[in-house]
Amino acid sequence: KQEVTQIPAALSVPEGENLVLNCSFTDSAIYNLQWFRQDPGKGLTSLLLIQSSQREQTSGRLNASLDKSSGRSTLYIAASQPGDSATYLCAVRGSNDYKLSFGAGTTVTVRA
Amino acid sequence: EPEVTQTPSHQVTQMGQEVILRCVPISNHLYFYWYRQILGQKVEFLVSFYNNEISEKSEIFDDQFSVERPDGSNFTLKIRSTKLEDSAMYFCASSREGGYGYTFGSGTRLTVV
Repeated sequence: KQEVTQIPAALSVPEGENLVLNCSFTDSAIYNLQWFRQDPGKGLTSLLLIQSSQREQTSGRLNASLDKSSGRSTLYIAASQPGDSATYLCAVRGSNDYKLSFGAGTTVTVRA
Repeated sequence: EPEVTQTPSHQVTQMGQEVILRCVPISNHLYFYWYRQILGQKVEFLVSFYNNEISEKSEIFDDQFSVERPDGSNFTLKIRSTKLEDSAMYFCASSREGGYGYTFGSGTRLTVV
């Protein structure tokens, strides 16, 4: 069974600092990995999707890397802003099914 | 941008009652899913649905749960006899391809009292 772990559980930084969020997974036989953002009481917004054959994906200030063999992904958020405050979830899809296995998330607070 | 719409946003029900959670997936998506998130816990997969049948379900999705696509646009999750432990946020999602490019709805918060 795929287990997804996210470290740290919470992070508080001053505005302008770069954020580094870590995700690890136990089964390297994945099809893709996604990073989501969740605001309190709201749904999940997809940020980046990395296919298993890719090493990284970028969108604006966000960059996600994937090292499938070591079972790790890292989400970098450059020059953080208070609007980046949210919970960030990592989710992996296995190679033999369509479901996503989620980590517990990292809750980010960016202080103005 | 196309959205997955869920109704209601919040439902309170008494233990033992039946509830139906409704979702309108994105119109050209072919795969549909339900996930749930108990407060303070991880988002968990419940069921996936394709071509008018369940393609995969988790051990959580027991006989108390059922899904239906009654009219080609709605996708529903029914819980036959709710328990206190069914209290959670329930998310509907859809994708055009299986397991790729998920779009999630904003969720229905179910509270069983």
